Parts: sequence; C-alpha cells; structure tokens
Amino acid sequence: DTGVSQDPRHKITKRGQNVTFRCDPISEHNRLYWYRQTLGQGPEFLTYFQNEAQLEKSRLLSDRFSAERPKGSFSTLEIQRTEQGDSAMYLCASSTSGRQDTGELFFGEGSRLTVL
Amino acid sequence: AQSVTQLDSQVPVFEEAPVELRCNYSSSVSVYLFWYVQYPNQGLQLLLKYLSGSTLVESINGFEAEFNKSQTSFHLRKPSVHISDTAEYFCAVGGGYQKVTFGTGTKLQVIP
Repeated sequence: DTGVSQDPRHKITKRGQNVTFRCDPISEHNRLYWYRQTLGQGPEFLTYFQNEAQLEKSRLLSDRFSAERPKGSFSTLEIQRTEQGDSAMYLCASSTSGRQDTGELFFGEGSRLTVL
Repeated sequence: AQSVTQLDSQVPVFEEAPVELRCNYSSSVSVYLFWYVQYPNQGLQLLLKYLSGSTLVESINGFEAEFNKSQTSFHLRKPSVHISDTAEYFCAVGGGYQKVTFGTGTKLQVIP
C-alpha cells in the first residue's frame, strides 16, 4: 500500500496525558500537512512541512502542540497535557511541490483522539 | 488570507434528481479550487479540481463544477444523483505555496 498511513487509528487518553501521532506520507511526496477535524466542521489547518522544514503553523495551535519531520519522511504530532477540547480526528496529508504540483492533497484515514 | 464558505450544511435530494452544492471563496491571490468527498467511514479524497484553463471541470462519476471568478464561486453540480453519492462534500481553496483551506462541508443525503 503506497498511500498515506497514520498510527494509531484510535487513541483514548485521560486529560493531562501526552499523546503522539505518526504519519507516513506517500514516499515521493515532499510536503506533509496536519489538519484537525471535529464533528460538523471541515478540516482545520494545523501545520505543514516541505521536506524537513516546518513552513507554516496555525496561530490557533497552542504551545502544547508540536510537530516534527526530522528526516523529511515521516512526521509526528505530539499533544502535551491533553484537554477534552483536543478530542478530534487528526488528519495527515501529503503532496508534491514544484512543476508536478497540482495542489492535490492525499489524505490518510486519520487518527481519532478521545480525551476523557 | 483565504477562506471558503459552504452555506448549506445538509442537502437532502431524491435519487435521480439534480443537485447543486454551493461554494464561495475569498482569496487575495490566484488559487486552485477543489472539491473533496468523504464517504461514510472513509478518508477524504479528491473529487475534482480547477487549476487554470477551462472554467468547467468534471469528475469521473458525473459531477461538475464551474469556476466563476466574478462571483468567487465554485459550485458543484450533478444532473442526476445516485444513492452511492451520499457523502460529505468539502470545497477547498489553496495549493502551490498557499496552504489548502477547507469549508465546513455539505452533507449530501440521497433519498431513495
């Protein structure tokens, strides 16, 4: 399977705990995005990387959220001291840039976080 | 800054009837426009896109969307819907060096 994969698919945690999600993009894609989706809303942009560089981070993202893409391949999204309001589906997507850039995002199936 | 407005949160329509899902966008630069679809219990996938050229774009399953620059719209249409079209549809703007911004989505419910 050469699509975008996310792990874990589901995570239940208690308030105050830290959680980490992993995303493996399509191998030839150099851009990687994180979005958050809650019930009844569209995907909300969190951050994106081109190779290992984090190019943009949403102002809505608190300091409890951090994302990395150390070698320009997989990425991790960590949420520290989780709150109930962090409960959502966390989506990862990848794309190409440059001459082959069509703007199309390829999404994984998401990681659902439930904070009790 | 860019934004997307999808005014209709839910659209019920009878099978074989036509449907239009509305999308208006705002952007200070030239952008790409997209419609993504999310079928029940599945991830988001691209339905169709406008990059440049012909303002009318089509998908392989009969949907079409028309880019209207003067009205800043990119409405999605299908002349005859099928039960299998039941899904949530998201309009999006961005691409290139602009992040992709999504609307809040429209749930299309096809009634047998």
